[in-house]
Amino acid sequence: QKEVEQNSGPLSVPEGAIASLNCTYSDRGSQSFFWYRQYSGKSPELIMFIYSNGDKEDGRFTAQLNKASQYVSLLIRDSQPSDSATYLCAVGSYGQNFVFGPGTRLSVLP
Amino acid sequence: DTEVTQTPKHLVMGMTNKKSLKCEQHMGHRAMYWYKQKAKKPPELMFVYSYEKLSINESVPSRFSPECPNSSLLNLHLHALQPEDSALYLCASSQDNRAGGTYFGPGTRLTVT
Repeated sequence: QKEVEQNSGPLSVPEGAIASLNCTYSDRGSQSFFWYRQYSGKSPELIMFIYSNGDKEDGRFTAQLNKASQYVSLLIRDSQPSDSATYLCAVGSYGQNFVFGPGTRLSVLP
Repeated sequence: DTEVTQTPKHLVMGMTNKKSLKCEQHMGHRAMYWYKQKAKKPPELMFVYSYEKLSINESVPSRFSPECPNSSLLNLHLHALQPEDSALYLCASSQDNRAGGTYFGPGTRLTVT
């Protein structure tokens, strides 16, 4: 049974701070890793994807992947109240459908 | 264009009704998906069409049946649903099934009465 775990939160950070979201996965054969943001009542929106060990930056977002330790994280710099949402981690392997984690609720306080 | 469209946005149906949800993408993606999402839960995969081959989550009841008329369209036919089937139904597409649904549509909010 492939599992993806995230802290459910809520994770509260003050505006302007760095928010750090973590995700661990059980399948060592996993190859693709995604972070989605989902606002209440809306569909998931892809923020980042990462396939290789290390960091990948896109604007205020940085995804970090460590396959040896089987974790992937998402850092949000200069957090804004508009970043308040549920963040879903998803992990996949080629030829197989990916698995979502339960999501972490982030609250950015003005 | 990275859009996946879904119709209708909202649907209320009785337990004896037959209805269909529709999904369309024009990104040339070869994999399309149906997910079901209950409140405060992650999306749960129901069906995958990848390169014209259907994969089914075996836990999905037969009152849900997918149809893929062509590589851009995906339908979900609903029949004799139960109130517990009320949820947000999400369609997604990806270039191949490695991504498992990179782009999601806005969803159809289904209420079964």
